Order: sequence, then structure tokens, then C-alpha cells
Amino acid sequence: EADIYQTPRYLVIGTGKKITLECSQTMGHDKMYWYQQDPGMELHLIHYSYGVNSTEKGDLSSESTVSRIRTEHFPLTLESARPSHTSQYLCASQSHRGNTEAFFGQGTRLTVV
Amino acid sequence: ILNVEQSPQSLHVQEGDSTNFTCSFPSSNFYALHWYRWETAKSPEALFVMTLNGDEKKKGRISATLNTKEGYSYLYIKGSQPEDSATYLCASHHGSSNTGKLIFGQGTTLQVKP
Repeated sequence: EADIYQTPRYLVIGTGKKITLECSQTMGHDKMYWYQQDPGMELHLIHYSYGVNSTEKGDLSSESTVSRIRTEHFPLTLESARPSHTSQYLCASQSHRGNTEAFFGQGTRLTVV
Repeated sequence: ILNVEQSPQSLHVQEGDSTNFTCSFPSSNFYALHWYRWETAKSPEALFVMTLNGDEKKKGRISATLNTKEGYSYLYIKGSQPEDSATYLCASHHGSSNTGKLIFGQGTTLQVKP
């Protein structure tokens, strides 16, 4: 069973609020990813990290920011939530080798009203 | 921007039918190709990770092949069962093993009718 956790699972929040989506893994994986998925659409990579103090933007532009101060923790922050940020956010981790499987959290479904 | 394409987008089959899906990816700078199954209300789970041209992998009734020179992979399900109903995602890993990233296709949603 995968040891990667996302909190909260569901979040409804008002426009303008600052939010942080948490993602933690206990597998010691170097790589971590954040994907965004709108209903019926594909998983879009918005951020990834291949180790502590390394973060890169993905292919889909996002107003969110991330940090990687500890190996096990990869939080995503929105400074000022907007209705356009309503989506599902999936976190994943992978060992440093690209030929190993990635493990996914349960996802956070965010609704900004 | 890396483009990973999957087809078809959705598929409805009868129980017992065999089916297959396609994943296309850029062949340049390729490192690995992943297949995941994503069931409703669950997290995606890995089926296969393949790296070598001509690779074939099998897990029960599900198998996959890889052609890195032309940039495609096929996923086959033999004798589909209702429990196979899910979205099947492929993801391509390009660049180096350590610093490359996983890019997903849009998925193929399979519905198996009893």
C-alpha cells in the first residue's frame, strides 16, 4: 500500500483566501509531483521536485507555488484563491529512478466559491 | 512541451471482449513509459513501467508492448471483465532518470458491460 497522503480530501473556500494543500510521503522518494485535473480532462503537471530545495514548474501554468524543505513534504500554496482554481489536485511521488512506478495520494478536490 | 496522446478517449465493450488502447509519445530523449489504472474514487495505480524497445509485460489478462523508435505503446486486455472498468493512463518519462518528469496522456476510459 502506498504511503502518500494528501490533506484535505475536500475543501470549499471563499475567493481571496490563502490555502495550502498538504502532501506527505514516507517512502523516502526524491521526486514529487503535483498534477491538476479538471473533470473529464487529463492530468496536467503543474509542479515537480526531484529533491530537497529543488522545485520546477510543470507544463501547465499555475498561480500556485510549492516548496520542498523536507524530503517527505511537498505542500502547494495558493495565495489568493479564485473560482478558476476549482479543480482536483493530485500529488505523486517516485524514487529517483525514472523507471520506477509513481505512487499517488487520494487527491484534494478544491472548490472556490 | 511534451505531448502524450491516448486513443480512444473512451470505450464500451461487452464482458468477454478483448480490447486494446494506444499511447503515443515523443521518441526523442525517451526514458520510460508507464501505464496506470485509475478506478473511480481511488488513486491511480501502476500496471507497468517499460523502458526498452520491444519490451512486453504481462499481468494476468493485461499486457503491454513498447516501441520506442516510433513512439507508441499498446495496452491489451483479454476477456474484459466488469472489474476492468476504469480509466487507463499512460505517462512518458523523458530526460535523465534523476531529473526527468512524468507527463500523462488524457486517458482511455473503459466501460465493460456484464
